[in-house]
Amino acid sequence: RKEVEQDPGPFNVPEGATVAFNCTYSNSASQSFFWYRQDCRKEPKLLMSVYSSGNEDGRFTAQLNRASQYISLLIRDSKLSDSATYLCVVNRGSGTYKYIFGTGTRLKVLA
Amino acid sequence: ETGVTQSPTHLIKTRGQQVTLRCSSQSGHNTVSWYQQALGQGPQFIFQYYREEENGRGNFPPRFSGLQFPNYSSELNVNALELDDSALYLCASSSGSGTEAFFGQGTRLTVV
Repeated sequence: RKEVEQDPGPFNVPEGATVAFNCTYSNSASQSFFWYRQDCRKEPKLLMSVYSSGNEDGRFTAQLNRASQYISLLIRDSKLSDSATYLCVVNRGSGTYKYIFGTGTRLKVLA
Repeated sequence: ETGVTQSPTHLIKTRGQQVTLRCSSQSGHNTVSWYQQALGQGPQFIFQYYREEENGRGNFPPRFSGLQFPNYSSELNVNALELDDSALYLCASSSGSGTEAFFGQGTRLTVV
């Protein structure tokens, strides 16, 4: 079983739709959590950090459930420019701040 | 722009050769991590350097080695290249302590 698991998709949604991505992680000692966005053949770019209290940035809302070891990302009012791969990232901490990436979820927003 | 730069952007090498990839970290960042991303996969952690010392290593063989310099820039060296080493190699810099990491644009390595 992978340490960070995501549905690879693809998710094909019409413009204006709301779409939700989920991610589970297996290491309960994980300390910090992020969503990154990666466009085709480009580097990952930080979309947002994820906090237990939940956080929102415009059309994007991220949520963390430590008890269930579950992270979510909600995108409202999808735009064509949201088409990308969304990577769930878990940081174990404990002296080595290495990121464990999921395989990513592909999103395609259709006109 | 993240301020993290990698060179070269693309590289083609022959099986058995050696390669050195370079990364300049963002100003103020003392931690550099290297990742390998195969096609269709998420990035896999290779190793991390903090203040010139290796600070954790992923499941990669010893032919993957690295360095960090006093200015916190870093190199990734791969010896005895294999076809499966073909991938996008990403460098990420951070200030440590679980803070966000920022990635360079990557080096796309093709081994033929």
